[in-house]
Amino acid sequence: EAGVAQSPRYKIIEKRQSVAFWCNPISGHATLYWYQQILGQGPKLLIQFQNNGVVDDSQLPKDRFSAERLKGVDSTLKIQPAKLEDSAVYLCASSPDRVSPLHFGNGTRLTVT
Amino acid sequence: AQKVTQAQTEISVVEKEDVTLDCVYETRDTTYYLFWYKQPPSGELVFLIRRNSFDEQNEISGRYSWNFQKSTSSFNFTITASQVVDSAVYFCALSELGRNTDKLIFGTGTRLQVFP
Repeated sequence: EAGVAQSPRYKIIEKRQSVAFWCNPISGHATLYWYQQILGQGPKLLIQFQNNGVVDDSQLPKDRFSAERLKGVDSTLKIQPAKLEDSAVYLCASSPDRVSPLHFGNGTRLTVT
Repeated sequence: AQKVTQAQTEISVVEKEDVTLDCVYETRDTTYYLFWYKQPPSGELVFLIRRNSFDEQNEISGRYSWNFQKSTSSFNFTITASQVVDSAVYFCALSELGRNTDKLIFGTGTRLQVFP
């Protein structure tokens, strides 16, 4: 089975610019997650979708971050405007339901200068 | 509050040595899952094991084994006869059942380097 696809693999932007990341989960997986992994730390959940509805976005900085999962399949995470502290790897994960282990993509490494 | 502590930042061993990665967790819930994930240099997190809080049986899978002890809130991971391909960052994680969200709380990871 194809894994979780993410793009781009790398992105370098200047602070105050905007950026968007894309994720295509494993086919049939209803649950989709975006995690932020700052260098030297474990991943931290930003937002969780169940189909196209938001389950948990309590740790999403909503003044600058937004995410959507139209049609309950692929998802986009946007940062506008970016700050230096947003430099991190953004990981997308999916699972068939809320009790199965997560499958992670390779991530997008964002550098904000 | 939920918390996962991996006190070992980095471990280096020589191939064929056994190595144990420590994980200590905190939670107020009585029902929860514990996980181990492997993150190789390619970046993706690879699921290794999940344990629920009611199952304290230790588990062995090939060269990997896990020791879950509720009395000490620990879920340690041992690799027997380590190989160079085991080099990666290993994360322990916790999720709580019965809540509206099933987010994983990750530790800070332990970087394992296995030298030939």
